[in-house]
Amino acid sequence: GAVVSQHPSRVICKSGTSVKIECRSLDFQATTMFWYRQFPKKSLMLMATSNEGSKATYEQGVEKDKFLINHASLTLSTLTVTSAHPEDSSFYICSARELARSSYEQYFGPGTRLTVT
Amino acid sequence: AQSVAQPEDQVNVAEGNPLTVKCTYSVSGNPYLFWYVQYPNRGLQFLLKYITGDNLVKGSYGFEAEFNKSQTSFHLKKPSALVSDSALYFCAFWKAGTALIFGKGTTLSVSS
Repeated sequence: GAVVSQHPSRVICKSGTSVKIECRSLDFQATTMFWYRQFPKKSLMLMATSNEGSKATYEQGVEKDKFLINHASLTLSTLTVTSAHPEDSSFYICSARELARSSYEQYFGPGTRLTVT
Repeated sequence: AQSVAQPEDQVNVAEGNPLTVKCTYSVSGNPYLFWYVQYPNRGLQFLLKYITGDNLVKGSYGFEAEFNKSQTSFHLKKPSALVSDSALYFCAFWKAGTALIFGKGTTLSVSS
């Protein structure tokens, strides 16, 4: 149980275009989803927290207009990187918190590798 | 600010030898601490957590960690390393009301 999927697993896009990454909780309802960004061989940086039906809360230094997060249902959150540039290339990992479990339990997706050319 | 620190970027150990990956914490109140492992181009895999109770926590794949309040540490250990343990290891804490916050990671390299 508690499986989180991400789609696509890897994507290449041209500079200036937008790309959407989906995060789904497959077998549970996720009241809260988190988006992390990981640079090569570096730690995961929390970008934002989204609650179903509410606006996302962004961490300091994360551009909310560049990284649009939508959490329209209890099983789906999307991250849209708008007007992507090469410096946005990274590994993006989502995580979900299950409705019925402890607040500290987070389940992680497999990640999406974004390359902007 | 609350944080966890992993003082070593890389740990090298020979197969069969014990391994330790260090983590210290600066967290207010009772810390909720975690260890995760990441293999190349993969997501995170949960290893173990300390919430309360016994200071020695046993986790997946033969790993364990000891919560030491006096030294504010939560080092990850394994009695006998395997080549397949080579990966990137993250210590994390739960920032109450928000999310897991990660250390910078330690690359473990186990040689045969």
